[in-house]
Amino acid sequence: NAGVTQTPKFRILKIGQSMTLQCTQDMNHNYMYWYRQDPGMGLKLIYYSVGAGITDKGEVPNGYNVSRSTTEDFPLRLELAAPSQTSVYFCVAGELFFGEGSRLTVL
Amino acid sequence: QQPVQSPQAVILREGEDAVINCSSSKALYSVHWYRQKHGEAPVFLMILLKGGEQKGHDKISASFNEKKQQSSLYLTASQLSYSGTYFCGTERKGGSEKLVFGKGTKLTVNP
Repeated sequence: NAGVTQTPKFRILKIGQSMTLQCTQDMNHNYMYWYRQDPGMGLKLIYYSVGAGITDKGEVPNGYNVSRSTTEDFPLRLELAAPSQTSVYFCVAGELFFGEGSRLTVL
Repeated sequence: QQPVQSPQAVILREGEDAVINCSSSKALYSVHWYRQKHGEAPVFLMILLKGGEQKGHDKISASFNEKKQQSSLYLTASQLSYSGTYFCGTERKGGSEKLVFGKGTKLTVNP
């Protein structure tokens, strides 16, 4: 039982680079979310999806993009990485199941 | 709208009780509670859906007052393993599907 799998777990980017955080779930949940968590802060919603083909913006969507072509996968794309995007990113399935997190540093 | 949690931090001795509050300025459909230990992902504790509902397991319980748009998490006879940061996540009435989290309450339980 994998639950929610995020890759990579750690990544260092240079300013202006792009990358995709992968998220896969094996629980067949329709709802999936991407949150970011800055040190000592709560979780901020970036994007969410209520099903394949449907995505919507959360509280802090600028600088990110998502797609949801299948129920299982919900990748988060960072375009033109900025230091402000240094954070820990969590993918969530069904509002209950968190992935282990992806720690991203932009230098 | 981000829910407001209080207190921001609390320090207990093992065996003592604590209450963590979560308030929203908007009408709520549900409240979720999570605990996060340092360096780990948040772990789901419980979800409350109806006004006045109270749920719990073991020595951790919660109430949800739909009219006041607030929820409280009760930790009784705290154990060392209760240490961590507690987050409430709220979903606004109408099924917006967005779960918005508070900033968290850091709980430290000392021997």
